[in-house]
Amino acid sequence: GAGVSQSPSNKVTEKGKDVELRCDPISGHTALYWYRQSLGQGLEFLIYFQGNSAPDKSGLPSDRFSAERTGGSVSTLTIQRTQQEDSAVYLCASSTGTGNQPQHFGDGTRLSIL
Amino acid sequence: QKEVEQDPGPLSVPEGAIVSLNCTYSNSAFQYFMWYRQYSRKGPELLMYTYSSGNKEDGRFTAQVDKSSKYISLFIRDSQPSDSATYLCAMRPLTGNNRKLIWGLGTSLAVNP
Repeated sequence: GAGVSQSPSNKVTEKGKDVELRCDPISGHTALYWYRQSLGQGLEFLIYFQGNSAPDKSGLPSDRFSAERTGGSVSTLTIQRTQQEDSAVYLCASSTGTGNQPQHFGDGTRLSIL
Repeated sequence: QKEVEQDPGPLSVPEGAIVSLNCTYSNSAFQYFMWYRQYSRKGPELLMYTYSSGNKEDGRFTAQVDKSSKYISLFIRDSQPSDSATYLCAMRPLTGNNRKLIWGLGTSLAVNP
């Protein structure tokens, strides 16, 4: 079946612009995660959605970052007023159950801020 | 000091070699260990996970955990060029969930034909 789908695969934008990154999880997966992967930094947890529960936003680095998940399926990560340090690969993952199940990752969005 | 240390490599081996990839950690509460493989420009994919000390085998892959030394390893037997990728370790306490995973930086492996 289809895996986790992310779009766009690449995004280049100017500093100060807003960007929206999309994640379409595996059908039926109730848990959804966003991560950021930078060179030399490893995976950095950003935000977690589980069913209808309030999201865990504890990893968001600033109030310029926000995310929503509509209808328990597709999620959008929004970065406002982008900065050069936001350049990274943004990965989305989904899993079944309560969040203890193994995560399945998409191929990410490579974001470059000029 | 990072909670999880992983040598970034690169590690280059000939085809057919046995590969040993390692992570050390400092938090004795970590009990759930995972290995992910990440090909270039792709997302990580789960290879193996284990809850306990000892060995776990899956085909050419063996995951080993030594809690007394706070050291985990992934062994790849009869390595193939298709194994060329970055290997990430991840771990967390048994209580909690995967949004609290602590990730290593990854080791880049090249298997040369």
